[in-house]
Amino acid sequence: EPEVTQTPSHQVTQMGQEVILRCVPISNHLYFYWYRQILGQKVEFLVSFYNNEISEKSEIFDDQFSVERPDGSNFTLKIRSTKLEDSAMYFCASTRGTSSYNEQFFGPGTRLTVL
Amino acid sequence: GDSVTQMEGPVTLSEEAFLTINCTYTATGYPSLFWYVQYPGEGLQLLLKATKADDKGSNKGFEATYRKETTSFHLEKGSVQVSDSAVYFCALRMEETSGSRLTFGEGTQLTVNP
Repeated sequence: EPEVTQTPSHQVTQMGQEVILRCVPISNHLYFYWYRQILGQKVEFLVSFYNNEISEKSEIFDDQFSVERPDGSNFTLKIRSTKLEDSAMYFCASTRGTSSYNEQFFGPGTRLTVL
Repeated sequence: GDSVTQMEGPVTLSEEAFLTINCTYTATGYPSLFWYVQYPGEGLQLLLKATKADDKGSNKGFEATYRKETTSFHLEKGSVQVSDSAVYFCALRMEETSGSRLTFGEGTQLTVNP
């Protein structure tokens, strides 16, 4: 059964460093998402991506964040200069369409720890 | 803005006990409602959904009914198993938003003891 994969499973970085989180969505999906969950808090939407551009972003997704689909299979989230408060679990998701009949499939997450 | 509130956890039950996890929502329109489950070390998986008022979603013995009058979507199961131990997330989605983002509740950790 196809699944969304994410690498790495755990990333440790120093404050101020750049990190790139990688996701491989399900191959025939067209819409891609990043969510994050700070420990003990809600899962929060960051950004959605369709047709090689951002379709929606939350207030969390500021200029420090960017997304890219560099080749046809990977979908990446870059944080340019990490802050302590960026420490969280980051989930990638993908779906074929945006109606409620199209399930969003989630990856297992990348745990980002900023020291 | 749109929001989802779940009952505070964690919840600990004995096997075969009845489960209810409360979920209420606030939305400006008519959302679709979802329950997702996260098993240890895995991503979120869709458990069930309902797209309009009075719809009942069901899967693996779990049920939830979309109650527009009380803006609720409580998750129930008549007899839980140890294998149901996981974190459960209630979520909504407004199809009018261009990206169809999911808005999640806080998550409820369920532990079922043998």
